[in-house]
Amino acid sequence: AAGVIQSPRHLIKEKRETATLKCYPIPRHDTVYWYQQGPGQDPQFLISFYEKMQSDKGSIPDRFSAQQFSDYHSELNMSSLELGDSALYFCASSLFRVTETQYFGPGTRLLVL
Amino acid sequence: AQSVTQLGSHVSVSEGALVLLRCNYSSSVPPYLFWYVQYPNQGLQLLLKYTSAATLVKGINGFEAEFKKSETSFHLTKPSAHMSDAAEYFCAVSPQGGSEKLVFGKGTKLTVNP
Repeated sequence: AAGVIQSPRHLIKEKRETATLKCYPIPRHDTVYWYQQGPGQDPQFLISFYEKMQSDKGSIPDRFSAQQFSDYHSELNMSSLELGDSALYFCASSLFRVTETQYFGPGTRLLVL
Repeated sequence: AQSVTQLGSHVSVSEGALVLLRCNYSSSVPPYLFWYVQYPNQGLQLLLKYTSAATLVKGINGFEAEFKKSETSFHLTKPSAHMSDAAEYFCAVSPQGGSEKLVFGKGTKLTVNP
């Protein structure tokens, strides 16, 4: 079965640079979630989208923005990167109000030097 | 507000022994509860979930969990540990209804000794 696809899988950036992470949900899933997992930490919710509209917002820095496109894929844009942004970024998808389960992608590992 | 507490950041068992990973939740509304497993350098895989149907939930790889409202618990068990069970396990909660953010516990790292 098709799973959530995230690209790139690994990313190395310098401080103050920008990064764009992409997420392709499971086909027919209309809801996308972004989570950040720091080293040795639990995943923390950043933001979610349903039908291209932001549905919830968590502890996402103002330097980050995200959107969901008409084909339901989502992009997380991160600017003015800081060392503390180094983490594993997960995308998850679900079908709104139909599947309570969020299916996670393999993650993008971001290293900021 | 919802939260999850996982008792024990590290659990070590012998191969063939019982696995018990503890999770207690706090929720002002009826919750959905999940257990996810994360192998090193990999994503989160759903083990099992409670969505207000049967209180005893069976998942993949021989794991099961029981929802106990009176104890606000959702502990994960497996009768006989296998070396391949070594991983980090996360308990998570969301409000019933679906499509809400997950709130994760701090995780429990399971080590299985030969």
